[in-house]
Amino acid sequence: DGGITQSPKYLFRKEGQNVTLSCEQNLNHDAMYWYRQDPGQGLRLIYYSQIVNDFQKGDIAEGYSVSREKKESFPLTVTSAQKNPTAFYLCASSLDQSTDTQYFGPGTRLTVL
Amino acid sequence: GQSLEQPSEVTAVEGAIVQINCTYQTSGFYGLSWYQQHDGGAPTFLSYNGLDGLEETGRFSSFLSRSDSYGYLLLQELQMKDSASYFCAVVGGGKLIFGQGTELSVKP
Repeated sequence: DGGITQSPKYLFRKEGQNVTLSCEQNLNHDAMYWYRQDPGQGLRLIYYSQIVNDFQKGDIAEGYSVSREKKESFPLTVTSAQKNPTAFYLCASSLDQSTDTQYFGPGTRLTVL
Repeated sequence: GQSLEQPSEVTAVEGAIVQINCTYQTSGFYGLSWYQQHDGGAPTFLSYNGLDGLEETGRFSSFLSRSDSYGYLLLQELQMKDSASYFCAVVGGGKLIFGQGTELSVKP
């Protein structure tokens, strides 16, 4: 089955530690995205990548980093510089940058203790 | 800058019709999308309007007026399972910009 996966579903970390969230897709999509969602809020764009080995900052990139070494994978690292990292993180992909439809993974709920 | 406004909450009864409005201010606008998100789940795509007018997909319809920077999602024959958050999103510049979401509660 084609789809987009994120792991783990729940993640706990101590303050000051970096943590990497996984996102994999087998839809052969060129574009991939990372969003952050806080309770009762909309989705805010952290980073996006329109092609392998290229990515751009979204609206709230500070304290985060990404890589896009493979088409299928777009991991997000939440660094210790992120002041308030506890949130629900969603990864999405689309066929290409001009496509209106994004497909979302199930999300990772990160809690920093 | 870019901004979208939609009501924070809407309540309706089963079988009714509900309309969720979305107004936007943005540059580089290509179209307006709508997504549904159940509590704790991932957003799923509902519809897209690239041109002015109405798009119908089953019980859901979406409308866009570019001149008014306005769109809406219309849900007909409401069912309990339609209780969820609904987000409008502006498509442009290779990315989506999401509104804050409207929480729809469907009552029996």
